[in-house]
Amino acid sequence: SYVLTQPRSVSLAPGQTARITCGGNDIESKTVHWYQQKPGQAPVLVIYDDNDRPSGIPERFSGSNSANTATLTIRGVEAGDEADYYCHVWDSTSEHYVFGTGTAVTVL
Amino acid sequence: QVQLVESGGGVVQPGRSLTLSCAASGFTFSTYGMGWVRQSPGKGLEWVAFISYDRHNRYYADSVKGRFTISRDNSKNTLSLQMNSLRPEDMAFYYCAKGGAPVGAAFDSWGQGALVTVSS
Repeated sequence: SYVLTQPRSVSLAPGQTARITCGGNDIESKTVHWYQQKPGQAPVLVIYDDNDRPSGIPERFSGSNSANTATLTIRGVEAGDEADYYCHVWDSTSEHYVFGTGTAVTVL
Repeated sequence: QVQLVESGGGVVQPGRSLTLSCAASGFTFSTYGMGWVRQSPGKGLEWVAFISYDRHNRYYADSVKGRFTISRDNSKNTLSLQMNSLRPEDMAFYYCAKGGAPVGAAFDSWGQGALVTVSS
């Protein structure tokens, strides 16, 4: 089955740029979505179709997808960005949705 | 605005059944695929099942295939998940999520979740 691998955690100071990776075999051939989940809350879509932002999501959030790695970039990280982030794809071979392992972002 | 409200969670013994429901409003339910995603306490997100807008296509995670059934009633704007032969590892928060018309689209709206506890 298709596997998406993310770093367990990322820690950085306010104002820095967070880059959260999502590794998968030939992931560039798939469409990647990203979700933010804060403690005790449901996930929220922050990036869809590799690099599009839903309305209401700040421009600080962006995405890219190339070769075997998709990346969620958060510029100018704020305390309110502290959350778990998950990547997400549809694998047409297995006809399964797949979530990444999740990355906890800590703002020091 | 889009609203998804899950119900039907609770405590159930291993081997028993439970049905979750999701009441949808604020969008044209019959034109969107819908899914279920679960999350065990302290763990990551796990996709469970997806149903196309017209019910013609249903997809299941390997961990639930043959035990869970996803269905929808477009006349009542309701999504359901019938869970049979429940196991301790099925214990989780179950989220209802709105997808797109084509399979593979993002889940752009989520409910608040229903907790399923499997314990004797």
